[in-house]
Amino acid sequence: AQSVTQPDIHITVSEGASLELRCNYSYGATPYLFWYVQSPGQGLQLLLKYFSGDTLVQGIKGFEAEFKRSQSSFNLRKPSVHWSDAAEYFCAVGRTTFPSGSARQLTFGSGTQLTVLP
Amino acid sequence: DAGITQSPRHKVTETGTPVTLRCHQTENHRYMYWYRQDPGHGLRLIHYSYGVKDTDKGEVSDGYSVSRSKTEDFLLTLESATSSQTSVYFCAITTNGGADTQYFGPGTRLTVL
Repeated sequence: AQSVTQPDIHITVSEGASLELRCNYSYGATPYLFWYVQSPGQGLQLLLKYFSGDTLVQGIKGFEAEFKRSQSSFNLRKPSVHWSDAAEYFCAVGRTTFPSGSARQLTFGSGTQLTVLP
Repeated sequence: DAGITQSPRHKVTETGTPVTLRCHQTENHRYMYWYRQDPGHGLRLIHYSYGVKDTDKGEVSDGYSVSRSKTEDFLLTLESATSSQTSVYFCAITTNGGADTQYFGPGTRLTVL
């Protein structure tokens, strides 16, 4: 079965500092990987995704993530954090499902809450 | 915004009562999903649909049923609500025929007293 671990429940950084959020996954085949962000009281917004190809993927809001197969990791990074980045971040791994054959079932990590200090 | 609305947005109910949550989409997507979100658990898949009248169970389907009689609506029913079903429920759709990205609705906060 697939699983996702986000080791850091809560991270605090100062505005302007760099950020790295960790994500480790367990999956038997080539994974489909996602990062979502959720602001308080809101739904989830897709930041970026990895399906195949270049292992460094760029997303919205200046975020990027790097897929490292050897480490089963898909860490999210941002070089300079803004106060508006304070939110909860979720990593997810997807697999295709049967009998539909193409619906994607996502397994989410438990999330990392980001606090940004002025 | 993938054209997803959820209703109601908030609901308080009592243990043992039936509850139906509605997910409505306007863009004719084939694949739809219901998740629940609980602190410390992220989101967990309840049920999903891959077409009208075609549904399947997810990770935490016990106590829930779903129906999809038309493309635009995916209903989640709690036949007899329990306090353990207090949660935030999110609907999602997949674009480009299932094998692409899931986009989420705004959520429904359900409290079972």
